[in-house]
Amino acid sequence: KAGVTQTPRYLIKTRGQQVTLSCSPISGHRSVSWYQQTPGQGLQFLFEYFSETQRNKGNFPGRFSGRQFSNSRSEMNVSTLELGDSALYLCASSLGQGGNDEQFFGPGTRLTVL
Amino acid sequence: GQQLNQSPQSMFIQEGEDVSMNCTSSSIFNTWLWYKQDPGEGPVLLIALYKAGELTSNGRLTAQFGITRKDSFLNISASIPSDVGIYFCAGPLINAGGTSYGKLTFGQGTILTVHP
Repeated sequence: KAGVTQTPRYLIKTRGQQVTLSCSPISGHRSVSWYQQTPGQGLQFLFEYFSETQRNKGNFPGRFSGRQFSNSRSEMNVSTLELGDSALYLCASSLGQGGNDEQFFGPGTRLTVL
Repeated sequence: GQQLNQSPQSMFIQEGEDVSMNCTSSSIFNTWLWYKQDPGEGPVLLIALYKAGELTSNGRLTAQFGITRKDSFLNISASIPSDVGIYFCAGPLINAGGTSYGKLTFGQGTILTVHP
């Protein structure tokens, strides 16, 4: 089975711009979770989607949003970028049900905001 | 804030030595997961634990789910240079509704350096 893929791997943006990141989960996985990783805050949960519905959301401002498509692929969007949004953005896929909490991560998208 | 306390924060060891790290929480977890992350990559799942007291191995790695359900341990035996990386413990923090819905809480990580 192919693993989780994320595109692009690297992005450089300037303050005020917006960005869209993409994640393709493992085939058969219906849940996609997004995380932000920074040296100061570690790995922090952004949100989770299952069958095109957001089921859970972390403590991030409304500038961070996401969606999931019928094929389980997911996108996250960050609008009005700030310098502090520079981070590694990780998505993880899982079955999303049945008591199995194992999540499998993609390689991440490294976002740099100048 | 952080719900999982991981220690030590870093370790410097010689190749061939055994390594132990642990993770503790003030909350009860029903699942403990251990991940390894290499620079510039996403975390890779090493071991998943689902039952209090469970001891699970994956090659040279052994992890245990603490009896109190508030801690977990990871041991690496006979370390090799490719064990270098950051090791994270993680678990689903159950919300008031009894579900975690895809949210894993992570420890701060243990940075492992192995000298040949």
